[in-house]
Amino acid sequence: QVQLVESGGGVVQPGGSLRLSCAASGFTFSNFAMHWVRQAPGKGLEWVALIWYDGSTEFYADSVKGRFFISRDNSKNTLHLQMNSLTAEDTAVYYCARDPSSKATAGRFDYWGQGNLVTVSS
Amino acid sequence: EIVLTQSPGTLSLSPGERATLSCRASQSVSRSYLAWYQQKPGQAPRLLIYGASTRVTGIPDRFSGSGSGTDFTLTISRLEPEDFAVYYCQQYGSSPVYPFGQGTKLEIK
Repeated sequence: QVQLVESGGGVVQPGGSLRLSCAASGFTFSNFAMHWVRQAPGKGLEWVALIWYDGSTEFYADSVKGRFFISRDNSKNTLHLQMNSLTAEDTAVYYCARDPSSKATAGRFDYWGQGNLVTVSS
Repeated sequence: EIVLTQSPGTLSLSPGERATLSCRASQSVSRSYLAWYQQKPGQAPRLLIYGASTRVTGIPDRFSGSGSGTDFTLTISRLEPEDFAVYYCQQYGSSPVYPFGQGTKLEIK
């Protein structure tokens, strides 16, 4: 079955950096676009970034553009999110999620990881 | 920028009752790109409905979606205890953007 397992979260100081990873299994990872979606404590869902199946194209939400970078290693079935210049507003549970299409044309997220908490605090 | 507004914010019902959740878009959206998710406390969201009305495999048929243009509805015909959760609608735009509604909390009355 499809499994997405995030890692790398934790507490970081404002202005710091953190790298999240998402290990995928149970499907052909290299065939699917992947996303990061976050949820601030007690709040709703916010899409963060997406990457095409082959890693050739990335898109970002305006709130993270220029600070966050999504990447993937298809040889290791792993998705990453490099987060720089973090602020308190980036505090959230970060989910990796699969897109059912290769170039994110499906417009939805069909499988989600369990989430990983990132806390930005001094 | 398309904004999705869900109503009500909280819906209090009893098991066996019918639930009707609304999602209104600030401008007309393609029904092909309207999805609904269920999220229980401490869990990741789960995709229920996509294309406004297509149920994901394995989702009980008491869940149904409808609507077009700016108004979409998720209906749960007869509430089961496991249905009490927060529900989000989500749309896809061509930038790309993936706005979510703010959620409707379905609680036991």
